[in-house]
Amino acid sequence: GQQLNQSPQSMFIQEGEDVSMNCTSSSIFNTWLWYKQEPGEGPVLLIALYKAGELTSNGRLTAQFGITRKDSFLNISASIPSDVGIYFCAGQGGDDKIIFGKGTRLHILP
Amino acid sequence: DVKVTQSSRYLVKRTGEKVFLECVQDMDHENMFWYRQDPGLGLRLIYFSYDVKMKEKGDIPEGYSVSREKKERFSLILESASTNQTSMYLCASSFRFGYTFGSGTRLTVV
Repeated sequence: GQQLNQSPQSMFIQEGEDVSMNCTSSSIFNTWLWYKQEPGEGPVLLIALYKAGELTSNGRLTAQFGITRKDSFLNISASIPSDVGIYFCAGQGGDDKIIFGKGTRLHILP
Repeated sequence: DVKVTQSSRYLVKRTGEKVFLECVQDMDHENMFWYRQDPGLGLRLIYFSYDVKMKEKGDIPEGYSVSREKKERFSLILESASTNQTSMYLCASSFRFGYTFGSGTRLTVV
């Protein structure tokens, strides 16, 4: 079945650094989604991307829908302690079914 | 905003018990989903439903069943709980694009 490869699995960065994570797939998606999950909570939608090449920002977060429709990246600029959590990418195909990546766990060092 | 409410944040059940996890959404969404989340395995789809009284198996349905008698409520049932069903369970609902998740139920089977 369809799979998403999300990398890295885990990141340790210094507060103030920029962060980049990405997802790739062997399949084409119509929509790419990025979620953040904080400890003890369900994932919350950060950014949704609806067409190839689209670049969307949400505060310090920027995400892009790859031209091939098989990849997406998420950047976080000037990280702060509350950015800690697990970031999930998700791709949604023509059947509206969503496939999730396994997540990138972000740790921020003081 | 859509709200997805899971009835319990934490549950402890004994092996062999029948367990009900309840999920309610307040935005008249047709689609509802149950996932389990385990470290290193990401989000795995258990069951989903596109309409009342309709259910479809996800990737890991064994040991689970579901019930959707009303549009707003989607219940996950563990017929006979086992220790390998100890996990975080997440409910989600959607109309078309993206999912809205509940806060999760952390189930421990002892």
